[in-house]
Amino acid sequence: QQQVKQSPQSLIVQKGGISIINCAYENTAFDYFPWYQQFPGKGPALLIAIRPDVSEKKEGRFTISFNKSAKQFSLHIMDSQPGDSATYFCAASMNSGYSTLTFGKGTMLLVSP
Amino acid sequence: GAVVSQHPSRVICKSGTSVKIECRSLDFQATTMFWYRQFPKQSLMLMATSNEGSKATYEQGVEKDKFLINHASLTLSTLTVTSAHPEDSSFYICSAEYVGRTNEKLFFGSGTQLSVL
Repeated sequence: QQQVKQSPQSLIVQKGGISIINCAYENTAFDYFPWYQQFPGKGPALLIAIRPDVSEKKEGRFTISFNKSAKQFSLHIMDSQPGDSATYFCAASMNSGYSTLTFGKGTMLLVSP
Repeated sequence: GAVVSQHPSRVICKSGTSVKIECRSLDFQATTMFWYRQFPKQSLMLMATSNEGSKATYEQGVEKDKFLINHASLTLSTLTVTSAHPEDSSFYICSAEYVGRTNEKLFFGSGTQLSVL
């Protein structure tokens, strides 16, 4: 059973455009929702994270939108740059315990120059 | 931010041999480390949780005798793939939990690409 569903699987965006990646979860006990960025041959790195008490969090060009009732959250990358080309994973965990961290299947983003 | 070093980054071995992967927290002590496995273009799957000074907790379906985990110190956890076979070929990633005053609590190593011939 996949607890965190991520879409799309891949995404091509022109430089300067907006990249949007969506995730949906099933377990209402999840209370921490991070997004990770992974470059080829490297481990993931935390990009931005949100907790269910807020509906939106913005850090620079990256914004998470969170809809608790719909059990969905999304990542928006504004003014996308070629350097943003990477694989993005959404994840969710409960009680802030990383042993419960469940990852989505990932979205391969390509930002064309 | 905190740094997690994983070594080696790439290893090629013959079938039947054992391979040890090291995960070190360089500038912090990590009582808890995690080991993941990632197939090409797939997500990270948690294999086990490694706690310093105690036995690792393995996820369902992960053979503990196949994937030996040792967390003997607060800065080092090792994963040994015993009697490796081609189906064990994968990208293995560790992470360490940082207990401190930062927003980011989980730091990942750069991964180890294991190829078993």
